[in-house]
Amino acid sequence: QKEVEQDPGPLSVPEGAIVSLNCTYSNSAFQYFMWYRQYSRKGPELLMYTYSSGNKEDGRFTAQVDKSSKYISLFIRDSQPSDSATYLCAMRNQGGKLIFGQGTELSVKP
Amino acid sequence: DAMVIQNPRYQVTQFGKPVTLSCSQTLNHNVMYWYQQKSSQAPKLLFHYYDKDFNNEADTPDNFQSRRPNTSFCFLDIRSPGLGDAAMYLCATSSERQDEQYFGPGTRLTVT
Repeated sequence: QKEVEQDPGPLSVPEGAIVSLNCTYSNSAFQYFMWYRQYSRKGPELLMYTYSSGNKEDGRFTAQVDKSSKYISLFIRDSQPSDSATYLCAMRNQGGKLIFGQGTELSVKP
Repeated sequence: DAMVIQNPRYQVTQFGKPVTLSCSQTLNHNVMYWYQQKSSQAPKLLFHYYDKDFNNEADTPDNFQSRRPNTSFCFLDIRSPGLGDAAMYLCATSSERQDEQYFGPGTRLTVT
């Protein structure tokens, strides 16, 4: 079993839709949770960084962490074609290396 | 703007011919990482430097080596590239190990 599981998609939505991206994990020691966005043939770009259960909002993006269920989500409101990219969840424990999910490919159609 | 720079962006090498990929950073971060990312897969950590302290991942093949001559630069050397080494190679930096990692644009390596 992988430490981090992420549905690879692809996920296709119409412009303006609410997008929900999810990851589950098995290591209860993970404390820090991140979401990266990766455009085609580019490096990952950090979108959100959280270290506690609950919600964190930044513009159209909301990151949610549920440590009791070992489940994290990224919500994108009012999705735009420019949001089309691969979204990678990543997490680690204190002092540990970053463990990435496989990435979910998102396409937002105009 | 402070950033992580990788050169070249695209590299073609022949089977068995040594190749070096370059990463530089203007963030003055202590930690530099090298990841390998194959198509539709998660980035896989190869090794990292904390200052001059080299930390190799247990499953990184001996074919992969790294050098960090100073704070700003880090190199990835592939001594004898095989077809299976074709991938995107990503450099990342962080201020400390527990901090956010910032990635460069990557070098896409093709092995012919």
